[in-house]
Amino acid sequence: DAKTTQPPSMDCAEGRAANLPCNHSTISGNEYVYWYRQIHSQGPQYIIHGLKNNETNEMASLIITEDRKSSTLILPHATLRDTAVYYCIVRVAWRGSTLGRLYFGRGTQLTVWP
Amino acid sequence: DAGVIQSPRHEVTEMGQEVTLRCKPISGHNSLFWYRQTMMRGLELLIYFNNNVPIDDSGMPEDRFSAKMPNASFSTLKIQPSEPRDSAVYFCASSLYEIRSGANYGYTFGSGTRLTVV
Repeated sequence: DAKTTQPPSMDCAEGRAANLPCNHSTISGNEYVYWYRQIHSQGPQYIIHGLKNNETNEMASLIITEDRKSSTLILPHATLRDTAVYYCIVRVAWRGSTLGRLYFGRGTQLTVWP
Repeated sequence: DAGVIQSPRHEVTEMGQEVTLRCKPISGHNSLFWYRQTMMRGLELLIYFNNNVPIDDSGMPEDRFSAKMPNASFSTLKIQPSEPRDSAVYFCASSLYEIRSGANYGYTFGSGTRLTVV
């Protein structure tokens, strides 16, 4: 299974961009990169996912390097409500199908301060 | 859409008792997952279903744990007998997986059940 490596913690000033890095050097060609976050005592929340192209939605942007060995989640204007644990996950293929289960690591604790 | 609904939100039980956790996935989703979260081990995948069929239960810790999905709108996770080390937050998640395209959309998690076994 492809592993991911994230810094255990980061902080960011409110209103500034938060850039959360993730390394996934063993990712294979058919594996997607997913990002989730978990606000204290709540269930994880889906943010964004991508395969090789950069992606953007109303919550964040995902930048994936050309060799796909790393990615960065960007929260363009962080708010206090973005304080959470952010998980970078590589989706595992199963029996050749693209149905996969998600394995969560320890993630990055992002603290946004006023 | 009410999202993924789990019950109960909190459960306190005595060691040796049977515990049943319940989950109602989002209507139309065909994949369902049970996770457990503790401080020591983080989020662990216990089991997942596709079209009501258990696909992989390798994460189920031992025979005391069992999960069922009798229909597309309901799943249970049962612990019998419960032990203090089972204390954790148990999350249920669902997603839509399209076999033809291989597309797998983001998982939606419930609010979790906080289980305390004393």
